[in-house]
Amino acid sequence: SQQGEEDPQALSIQEGENATMNCSYKTSINNLQWYRQNSGRGLVHLILIRSNEREKHSGRLRVTLDTSKKSSSLLITASRAADTASYFCATDEYTGRRALTFGSGTRLQVQP
Amino acid sequence: DTAVSQTPKYLVTQMGNDKSIKCEQNLGHDTMYWYKQDSKKFLKIMFSYNNKELIINETVPNRFSPKSPDKAHLNLHINSLELGDSAVYFCASSPPKSGTGGAKQYFGPGTRLTVT
Repeated sequence: SQQGEEDPQALSIQEGENATMNCSYKTSINNLQWYRQNSGRGLVHLILIRSNEREKHSGRLRVTLDTSKKSSSLLITASRAADTASYFCATDEYTGRRALTFGSGTRLQVQP
Repeated sequence: DTAVSQTPKYLVTQMGNDKSIKCEQNLGHDTMYWYKQDSKKFLKIMFSYNNKELIINETVPNRFSPKSPDKAHLNLHINSLELGDSAVYFCASSPPKSGTGGAKQYFGPGTRLTVT
């Protein structure tokens, strides 16, 4: 079953603006991960936040996690045209099964 | 120095045919996966192997059969292809989990399968 729902499904912004994507999930998790997929390419891992963490930063990326609301957000600051891609959240569920459950993705378009 | 590679990148075939997709990782990981991404970009796990042993087998038609000859390879064989099998298939691998934390996954470039 689909675990994550991402919001918005598509986002178009100008270069230099910030982009925020949200993800909701349904089950208890060990961690939540964000991936980027450029058109026609494989997924690339961006950042992992554990269930006992609330916020994490990596370069221009900021991820928050609210386990009480079962939600996460990804903020990309000072966006660039090269950030144009689809972004997916993925949950590592507490069941211990070694596979990620992906959200439906947000398509981000950054206009130069 | 490709980490996770898949062949072929594109596969166009007719209904009823049998085809295979190959995956290799040179990262020394112990777990490999097959995911299917449909036309709406939704990505879903199909199979997972850990040290050549099948550990996840989602609700996938038995026309799909994974085979792991060794830890570095996980192939996907599909019998009697159907139109609905058209999708992008991704192979991925991950290192052993540490503690309670999960491991990030490394994805191959994908194989776009088109069944006509």
